[in-house]
Amino acid sequence: QKEVEQNSGPLSVPEGAIASLNCTYSDRGSQSFFWYRQYSGKSPELIMFIYSNGDKEDGRFTAQLNKASQYVSLLIRDSQPSDSATYLCAVKSGGYQKVTFGTGTKLQVIP
Amino acid sequence: GAVVSQHPSRVICKSGTSVKIECRSLDFQATTMFWYRQFPKQSLMLMATSNEGSKATYEQGVEKDKFLINHASLTLSTLTVTSAHPEDSSFYICSARPTLGDSPLHFGNGTRLTVT
Repeated sequence: QKEVEQNSGPLSVPEGAIASLNCTYSDRGSQSFFWYRQYSGKSPELIMFIYSNGDKEDGRFTAQLNKASQYVSLLIRDSQPSDSATYLCAVKSGGYQKVTFGTGTKLQVIP
Repeated sequence: GAVVSQHPSRVICKSGTSVKIECRSLDFQATTMFWYRQFPKQSLMLMATSNEGSKATYEQGVEKDKFLINHASLTLSTLTVTSAHPEDSSFYICSARPTLGDSPLHFGNGTRLTVT
């Protein structure tokens, strides 16, 4: 079983719609959760991080964490073509420096 | 804040030569830095964890004698690809986070290595 799982996609949404990206993780001791965006040929850039159960909003982005279900998601409201990229979910277990990445979900926003 | 600088951004070398890639944390100290490799259309793969003042920790399947890591200061880690071969051609990315606190990882811009 992979430690961090994401649907590889591509996930296609029309411009202006809500894109929902999902991620599950296997280590119940995980405490820190991150979403990164990676454009083709570029390195990942941090979008959001979340540590506590519930929702965290930042502009058009909302991260949702449910530790009981070992599930973290990223919602992108009013999706724009410039949001088209691969979104990486990353999980850090408590007490460890190592961060484990999912394989990423490719998002395509159709104009 | 939390800027990670990686150099060079692109390098082409001949088979059999060595290439050094630098990773610097510009505005914070990082006891630990991480080196990743990414082949086209594949996910990030952690190669090794670089620890300041001590030996790096390599992931399974990564040859420590081929990928030499030196973390001589709290702001600099280097990765040297020794005796490079065409199959080493890849996108190498370093990352770091401030030593204090529980900050997210920040990535350098990556190094595109092409071995001819």
